[in-house]
Amino acid sequence: KQEVTQIPAALSVPEGENLVLNCSFTDSAIYNLQWFRQDPGKGLTSLLLIQSSQREQTSGRLNASLDKSSGRSTLYIAASQPGDSATYLCAVEGSGGSNYKLTFGKGTLLTVNP
Amino acid sequence: DGGITQSPKYLFRKEGQNVTLSCEQNLNHDAMYWYRQDPGQGLRLIYYSQIVNDFQKGDIAEGYSVSREKKESFPLTVTSAQKNPTAFYLCASSIRLGLSPYSTDTQYFGPGARLTVL
Repeated sequence: KQEVTQIPAALSVPEGENLVLNCSFTDSAIYNLQWFRQDPGKGLTSLLLIQSSQREQTSGRLNASLDKSSGRSTLYIAASQPGDSATYLCAVEGSGGSNYKLTFGKGTLLTVNP
Repeated sequence: DGGITQSPKYLFRKEGQNVTLSCEQNLNHDAMYWYRQDPGQGLRLIYYSQIVNDFQKGDIAEGYSVSREKKESFPLTVTSAQKNPTAFYLCASSIRLGLSPYSTDTQYFGPGARLTVL
């Protein structure tokens, strides 16, 4: 059974810092890995999707990497801003023969202080 | 303006009552999903549907029921058999069930609905 772990569970940084969020998964037979953002009481917004054949994806100040063989991904946020404060969820898709199923981590709650 | 809508955003239920959460999408997606989110937890899959008149149980289907009579609608009923229904419920959709490893398609999520049992 696929398990996704995110470390740390919570992170508080001053504005302007660069930061890294970590995600690990137990079954490397995935189709893709996604990072989502969730604001309090809201739905999820997809930030980056990395296909299994890719090593990284970038969007603006965000960069996500994938090391499928070791079951790890990182989300790098450059020059953090208070508007980046949210919960960041990592999810993998396609393991265990279920190529539709997203398995989520519990998330990292990020607070960026002005 | 395409997207997924869930209404109402807040629901209250007395013990022993059923309650239905609505989910509508105008993205012309075939597949739809219901997730449950508890504080400090990842999302867990309740039910999913790949096409009209078809749906399958997810990981935590007990105490829930769904229907898929129209492509754009996938309502979830939380029955009295669900012992701990207070949670945040998220509906999602994707172009189709079963994406390839080369696909950039993803699931799109609605704004969520918070159910509280009184």
